[in-house]
Amino acid sequence: NAGVTQTPKFQVLKTGQSMTLQCAQDMNHNSMYWYRQDPGMGLRLIYYSASEGTTDKGEVPNGYNVSRLNKREFSLRLESAAPSQTSVYFCASSDGGGAYEQYFGPGTRLTVT
Amino acid sequence: QKEVEQDPGPLSVPEGAIVSLNCTYSNSAFQYFMWYRQYSRKGPELLMYTYSSGNKEDGRFTAQVDKSSKYISLFIRDSQPSDSATYLCAGRGRGSNYKLTFGKGTLLTVNP
Repeated sequence: NAGVTQTPKFQVLKTGQSMTLQCAQDMNHNSMYWYRQDPGMGLRLIYYSASEGTTDKGEVPNGYNVSRLNKREFSLRLESAAPSQTSVYFCASSDGGGAYEQYFGPGTRLTVT
Repeated sequence: QKEVEQDPGPLSVPEGAIVSLNCTYSNSAFQYFMWYRQYSRKGPELLMYTYSSGNKEDGRFTAQVDKSSKYISLFIRDSQPSDSATYLCAGRGRGSNYKLTFGKGTLLTVNP
């Protein structure tokens, strides 16, 4: 099992460019999440998908869009990148059973210049 | 007030020490509490979770929750240099609330 995978690992964008971050999980989990992590700010939830076919905003959704492509894949799109979106992005997934503990991918380091 | 507060440290201890990492939370609806370990430039890795109050032990790690004081602790016995990482606590309400609320993390260094 690869767990949660993310592509790309690193990306540099110019202001105004767009890109899509890809996430896939092979644990048959229903729920998937996108976070950003910034120094001094901790992990902040951008969007989540409780189940295939649903998406909801998290704490910091502005400037982002998401697509739950199928049960395995959840993508995050930046339509017009801004320097404030320079961050490390993590995808996570979880399943039921009570705790809904989340399992994280290795992250994508994004720099917007 | 943030829902989960965590002292960012840094915390530096000698190898073999007992480490105590702590969080406080304000949301009374939290029922599940988790601890994650994050090595530098890696994704958070789930260490353990507990439900409601009480203790849970896994090897050298013990998680403790005191709901009366809204206090979460992680104890590491016989700490090793490989335990050097940032430790994140998180809480979640019961039911269909899928979202975790994280503390900002405590940076721990275990010196050989």
